[in-house]
Amino acid sequence: DADVTQTPRNRITKTGKRIMLECSQTKGHDRMYWYRQDPGLGLRLIYYSFDVKDINKGEISDGYSVSRQAQAKFSLSLESAIPNQTALYFCATSVGRGAYEQYFGPGTRLTVT
Amino acid sequence: AQSVAQPEDQVNVAEGNPLTVKCTYSVSGNPYLFWYVQYPNRGLQFLLKYITGDNLVKGSYGFEAEFNKSQTSFHLKKPSALVSDSALYFCAVRDAVMDSSYKLIFGSGTRLLVRP
Repeated sequence: DADVTQTPRNRITKTGKRIMLECSQTKGHDRMYWYRQDPGLGLRLIYYSFDVKDINKGEISDGYSVSRQAQAKFSLSLESAIPNQTALYFCATSVGRGAYEQYFGPGTRLTVT
Repeated sequence: AQSVAQPEDQVNVAEGNPLTVKCTYSVSGNPYLFWYVQYPNRGLQFLLKYITGDNLVKGSYGFEAEFNKSQTSFHLKKPSALVSDSALYFCAVRDAVMDSSYKLIFGSGTRLLVRP
């Protein structure tokens, strides 16, 4: 979905390096999410944010941090990357409360060597 | 705790035949249920959702899903499969009452392969 963009799309980094993944959206949604996808495990929630001042840990937040710089921007950082953080990372957005679906970005494929 | 199970890693079907991708869920309260599709090198795309009301939900690309409360299932269906339907399909659930985080719990995914 072009309304949710992620940079970079692919990244190879070394163990111990700091890396930031960025997400931007033009949908005007308040809520933003970071997931990681691993084969056979589906998507797991890392962090989520309801607005700029409301950031919450998901089920697998250890080793990650986030920053909500603006309503439209939500960044995910790996302070010291390790090989088991090799995965496909997705940003998603949704609007408000209720049973609203989430809209996903194209993903960032991260490889930690 | 919320959970979703997609019991089949892969579903194979011939083009033109009906397809079913299975999903069962577990929540404490009432479920909101979703289906997403992922094509290679793409993000997840929303297909359809169940909130309340009619148990048969219609979505994008001719897909539909049937909510069955007694069996806690939400199977995805299509009457006539296309080769272009080949992709990875994810079922997701949110507890409408008990979970204030609005986060989705995803199944492990089912790969659909439609052969010509």
